[in-house]
Amino acid sequence: QVQLVQSGGGVVQPGRSLRLSCAASGFVFNDYGMHWVRQAPGKGLEWVATVWFDGGKKFYADSVEGRFTISRDNFRKTLYLQMNSLRPDDTAVYYCARRGGADVFDIWGQGTMVTVSS
Amino acid sequence: SSELTQDPAVSVALGQTVRITCQGDTLRSYYASWYQQKPGQAPLLVIYGKNDRPSGIPDRFSGSSSGDTSSLTITGAQAEDEADYYCKTRDSSGNHYVFGPGTKVTVL
Repeated sequence: QVQLVQSGGGVVQPGRSLRLSCAASGFVFNDYGMHWVRQAPGKGLEWVATVWFDGGKKFYADSVEGRFTISRDNFRKTLYLQMNSLRPDDTAVYYCARRGGADVFDIWGQGTMVTVSS
Repeated sequence: SSELTQDPAVSVALGQTVRITCQGDTLRSYYASWYQQKPGQAPLLVIYGKNDRPSGIPDRFSGSSSGDTSSLTITGAQAEDEADYYCKTRDSSGNHYVFGPGTKVTVL
């Protein structure tokens, strides 16, 4: 079935780096743009980054621009989020999501928790 | 960037109708999509476009828009509809996305 399975995450000290992965199955991965969305504890959803289907263009929220990098490996059908210079306010559940038709986020991963703390 | 506003919380009696609104300037240019999120779960797309539902979403969910406001209506709310609901659209640059702050729906 169509699904996104996330891995990575955990506890990391401020200033350190972490990489999240999102493995796709059940659909033609390289036909779809992909997103990362996060949710701080007890807070709402925040869009983080988007990559086009071919990796040709990438967009970032102002809050992560210059620190986070979204990428994809279409051969491995996997989406990545490289997070550098992590700050305590990056603490959140991170979700990957597929960009479906009509510009929606139609398939979501299960989420992975990232805690930035000393 | 752009902002979306939503009522923080609404309540509805079982079987009654509730409307959730989302207001923002960019809704004049872009459709909103609506996401349901239950505690501990990933968001779920429930309404998008003019008034479209993904496969598997009950027809008691519907959407509409007028000017700078988009709405999600649940007609005949069920206990399982109790959740947080978020609207989403593009920002004024057209390259970024923005979520509303969410509306907590309680079914009494």
